[in-house]
Amino acid sequence: SQQGEEDPQALSIQEGENATMNCSYKTSINNLQWYRQNSGRGLVHLILIRSNEREKHSGRLRVTLDTSKKSSSLLITASRAADTASYFCATLGYSTLTFGKGTMLLVSP
Amino acid sequence: EPEVTQTPSHQVTQMGQEVILRCVPISNHLYFYWYRQILGQKVEFLVSFYNNEISEKSEIFDDQFSVERPDGSNFTLKIRSTKLEDSAMYFCASKRLTYEQYFGPGTRLTVT
Repeated sequence: SQQGEEDPQALSIQEGENATMNCSYKTSINNLQWYRQNSGRGLVHLILIRSNEREKHSGRLRVTLDTSKKSSSLLITASRAADTASYFCATLGYSTLTFGKGTMLLVSP
Repeated sequence: EPEVTQTPSHQVTQMGQEVILRCVPISNHLYFYWYRQILGQKVEFLVSFYNNEISEKSEIFDDQFSVERPDGSNFTLKIRSTKLEDSAMYFCASKRLTYEQYFGPGTRLTVT
C-alpha cells in the first residue's frame, strides 16, 4: 500500500534557520499534501502538489516532488518559534489520504 | 472562516461500552471522513462518506464501527463495543469538491 514516510523523525533548529523535511512513498499518486499538527490539535492543510508538478511555493513554504524517486520535500524558510509542530505528508491515491508518521519540528528562539 | 467542529474534545469510556463521536462538517461540503491517530503513530484513514453512504472504508473500519449523517449538519462515528485498542484521537474531515480536506480538532477517546 502507498505510504508517506517522513524523515527526519525529529528536527531541532534555531529561529531564522531553514527546515527541510523529506517524504517518500511507494505507489503512484494523484497528489501529495503536507499537513501541520500542533501538539494535541487537529491537522492543518499547508500545501498540495499535483503529480505533474515539480515545485510549488506558498509564503515561506517550498515543496518539491520527484515522482521518479517517489519523494517530496518540504522546506520552511526563515523559521519561527511558532512553526514548532509535527509535519505530515499525505498521499492521495484514488480518493483517500494516506499519512506518514510525521516529522516533529522544534524551533528554538 | 468556517471550520469543522468535533465534540466532545475528550471522551473516557469503559471497555465494552458504546461511544458516539460527533462532527459538524463545513456546511457546503459534500465529502466526509473519519481518521484516527493512535498516540505516537500515523493518522489512519477509517471511512469516507458521500451522498449518504459509505464510499470507502479501511480494514480498521470493521463491524464495530458505523457512521451516520442523521441530519443536514452532523456526521457521527459510533463504536459499538469499545476495546482498549480503540483509544486514539479521532479526526473528522470534510471537503467540497477540491482535494483539500479540512480537519476538525479531534476527539481524544480513552478506553479504560
